[in-house]
Amino acid sequence: NAGVMQNPRHLVRRRGQEARLRCSPMKGHSHVYWYRQLPEEGLKFMVYLQKENIIDESGMPKERFSAEFPKEGPSILRIQQVVRGDSAAYFCASSPGGHLYEQYFGPGTRLTVT
Amino acid sequence: AQTVTQSQPEMSVQEAETVTLSCTYDTSESNYYLFWYKQPPSRQMILVIRQEAYKQQNATENRFSVNFQKAAKSFSLKISDSQLGDTAMYFCAFMKHEYSGGGADGLTFGKGTHLIIQP
Repeated sequence: NAGVMQNPRHLVRRRGQEARLRCSPMKGHSHVYWYRQLPEEGLKFMVYLQKENIIDESGMPKERFSAEFPKEGPSILRIQQVVRGDSAAYFCASSPGGHLYEQYFGPGTRLTVT
Repeated sequence: AQTVTQSQPEMSVQEAETVTLSCTYDTSESNYYLFWYKQPPSRQMILVIRQEAYKQQNATENRFSVNFQKAAKSFSLKISDSQLGDTAMYFCAFMKHEYSGGGADGLTFGKGTHLIIQP
């Protein structure tokens, strides 16, 4: 059973460009979470999605950031007009949902904005 | 809102020793879960151990065990017979649970403790 997959592993963008980060949850998992980790910090929750629904986006910046989890395909975290402060590691986690609450993490995408 | 505090930025012990990492949290929730995650240099987040708040018995996973003090809102991790491969960042995390037919909440993490196991 493959784990949570994220791609790309490393992404370099110039200021003003768009960044698209992809996350494929574990097989059988219908709940996806995105987190951001700044250097020397713990992970910060951004958004929680189920298929075709955003459940909680309380940790998402109000501008430039969006997330989706379509019926088919991976979850996408999109950052428009990136700035240097967006440079971070972005982690995706998935869980089966229901009473099975444990979150399993992908390897992360390291975004560098130049 | 929940907060998680890890007061030890870095710890260093000799191989085979026992080490305890501290974690305190603040919440008004009554139904929640606590976790310890390990992040080695590869940066992959690995679940080490979990604790349901409604369970009084402390969780144990092989060499890893927790001391869960609900009234004190304390959740420390003990690593016995430490090994070189235990060298990593360790994060304590909190999750409130609202079962509404869906999943659980996002995790709230502490800032982490960098554990170094010396040979």
